[in-house]
Amino acid sequence: NAGVTQTPKFQVLKTGQSMTLQCAQDMNHNSMYWYRQDPGMGLRLIYYSASEGTTDKGEVPNGYNVSRLNKREFSLRLESAAPSQTSVYFCASWGGGYGYTFGSGTRLTVV
Amino acid sequence: DQQVKQNSPSLSVQEGRISILNCDYTNSMFDYFLWYKKYPAEGPTFLISISSIKDKNEDGRFTVFLNKSAKHLSLHIVPSQPGDSAVYFCAASLSTSGTYKYIFGTGTRLKVLA
Repeated sequence: NAGVTQTPKFQVLKTGQSMTLQCAQDMNHNSMYWYRQDPGMGLRLIYYSASEGTTDKGEVPNGYNVSRLNKREFSLRLESAAPSQTSVYFCASWGGGYGYTFGSGTRLTVV
Repeated sequence: DQQVKQNSPSLSVQEGRISILNCDYTNSMFDYFLWYKKYPAEGPTFLISISSIKDKNEDGRFTVFLNKSAKHLSLHIVPSQPGDSAVYFCAASLSTSGTYKYIFGTGTRLKVLA
């Protein structure tokens, strides 16, 4: 099925550990995004990539890095996880037209 | 500061009645607005959109109204159905760096009572 695939779906990390959230889309979209969703805060943009080879900061980039590996893949890395990064992370892509296509999310808990 | 605000965290409506979800924004440069629907454990899905050059867009049971002078948009669902129970996010976009960057509101949880 065409869409946005995120892995893993769930993850528990200890404070200070690192991990990479993976995202891939098969719709040939140019733009990709990482959002986090927290209670009462809605969806906040972490980083985005307007096209292959470019990345830009969003509203809440601190503590994260991204890599646009190719047109299909856009990964989000936490170098040293903190409890404040406990959240649900959504990857999205956009190829023109109406709105983004979102993945199903990664639920991350940092203890 | 929150550029896109949904001041009602939750809303309950009887089946068959109208649901009205509201959204306010602060940046007059926003040029495109969308509503997304989100079920638990799923990603948001696109519902309906409106360009800043229009004041109304309709798609079946869903209508979005835009009042630019008040910086306010609303989503009307008529008639409401139990399957509409979900969290609804409004989003506003700025065209930047060759792409659209959406700012989301905090969401309104709609519960449609059978």
